[in-house]
Amino acid sequence: GAVVSQHPSRVICKSGTSVKIECRSLDFQATTMFWYRQFPKQSLMLMATSNEGSKATYEQGVEKDKFLINHASLTLSTLTVTSAHPEDSSFYICSARGTSGYYEQYFGPGTRLTVT
Amino acid sequence: KQEVTQIPAALSVPEGENLVLNCSFTDSAIYNLQWFRQDPGKGLTSLLLIQSSQREQTSGRLNASLDKSSGRSTLYIAASQPGDSATYLCAVRWRNFNKFYFGSGTKLNVKP
Repeated sequence: GAVVSQHPSRVICKSGTSVKIECRSLDFQATTMFWYRQFPKQSLMLMATSNEGSKATYEQGVEKDKFLINHASLTLSTLTVTSAHPEDSSFYICSARGTSGYYEQYFGPGTRLTVT
Repeated sequence: KQEVTQIPAALSVPEGENLVLNCSFTDSAIYNLQWFRQDPGKGLTSLLLIQSSQREQTSGRLNASLDKSSGRSTLYIAASQPGDSATYLCAVRWRNFNKFYFGSGTKLNVKP
């Protein structure tokens, strides 16, 4: 099956710093990528949808200046958490949708962000 | 309003038992529905994808059905094993919506 990778898998940073998370579709092209965050024992919450070469569409309540998303190619999207604070600590998961067939959505393994 | 509900929130069964997980959704005009598995601290693994035109999909011991008219999908797991223990998530994509709506999941524990 299709594979989506995320890097890093875990990151610890100090409050006020910025962190970049990469999401790559390894064996398929993804016109559309999604970023989710998940709090403990809760379901996934969609943060934004990005299409290659265009600006991301953010869900209501998500600060676009804080969570910068770049989808520069059909295989790479990045999420940058700017000026991170402890409340940004969460599990961030990206997802990529294929450009053919049934447009199945594939998920990455997630990135655990801890802000101290 | 697009909503996806999963019941029960948690389920514990002895090994070998057949079981059914439920997913219900508002609005029958769906594009597709996907079942996922999530292990603790991990990402999502796609189990089955059902298109709007399909009634069911099967993969190994898993069978997912779709009844749009009643707004329901079920995931049937045959001969459950301890390795099936995980949280199972149902996600629905509606027509004219470019994103999945997730249920809150069913946490399954299969006891040896």
